[in-house]
Amino acid sequence: SAVISQKPSRDICQRGTSLTIQCQVDSQVTMMFWYRQQPGQSLTLIATANQGSEATYESGFVIDKFPISRPNLTFSTLTVSNMSPEDSSIYLCSVASGGASTQYFGPGTRLTVL
Amino acid sequence: GQQLNQSPQSMFIQEGEDVSMNCTSSSIFNTWLWYKQDPGEGPVLLIALYKAGELTSNGRLTAQFGITRKDSFLNISASIPSDVGIYFCAGRDTGTASKLTFGTGTRLQVTL
Repeated sequence: SAVISQKPSRDICQRGTSLTIQCQVDSQVTMMFWYRQQPGQSLTLIATANQGSEATYESGFVIDKFPISRPNLTFSTLTVSNMSPEDSSIYLCSVASGGASTQYFGPGTRLTVL
Repeated sequence: GQQLNQSPQSMFIQEGEDVSMNCTSSSIFNTWLWYKQDPGEGPVLLIALYKAGELTSNGRLTAQFGITRKDSFLNISASIPSDVGIYFCAGRDTGTASKLTFGTGTRLQVTL
């Protein structure tokens, strides 16, 4: 499976600011995804990061709040904009290759908004 | 979004005991995955199931893809302290191109 890294691993941010999270994979992958995991909860898909085009967002998530970039097949960023304490969560990227059903996850970014 | 129902929500067991947990859905899935998440880390894939009725093992772990395609089961035999963590099931349905729906999770704690 691919080796996935995320930066930063954790951050504490002030209300109203924005944070960009990076996801780097050690090999080219077809699909990259971004998930949110609120405290004590399961994983919820935010969006599918599409290479060379706009991300595909799930219901309840919008581009203005969570802009996503995917400039190539090994890298993606997720920005959490105009943060509020409700955005405090773990943000995880995952990858899948080809038509693969299996996804592999990065270590996550733990965000705390004060 | 949709979530899969996992049970039990949490369990305390003694080291050496066997563990069973399951995941149910109102929808049909064509793939079932089981992940384990340790504190402060991302989920790690344990077992992947691709066919109804399939039974797959990974060491002390065994998982089954339910015949109805609406459920899956994970068993852990002879539990050890490092089995502690949260176990998530995830399903991929027929029309969502790799998108996964995650279960609510089962928190496992093992006592010596």
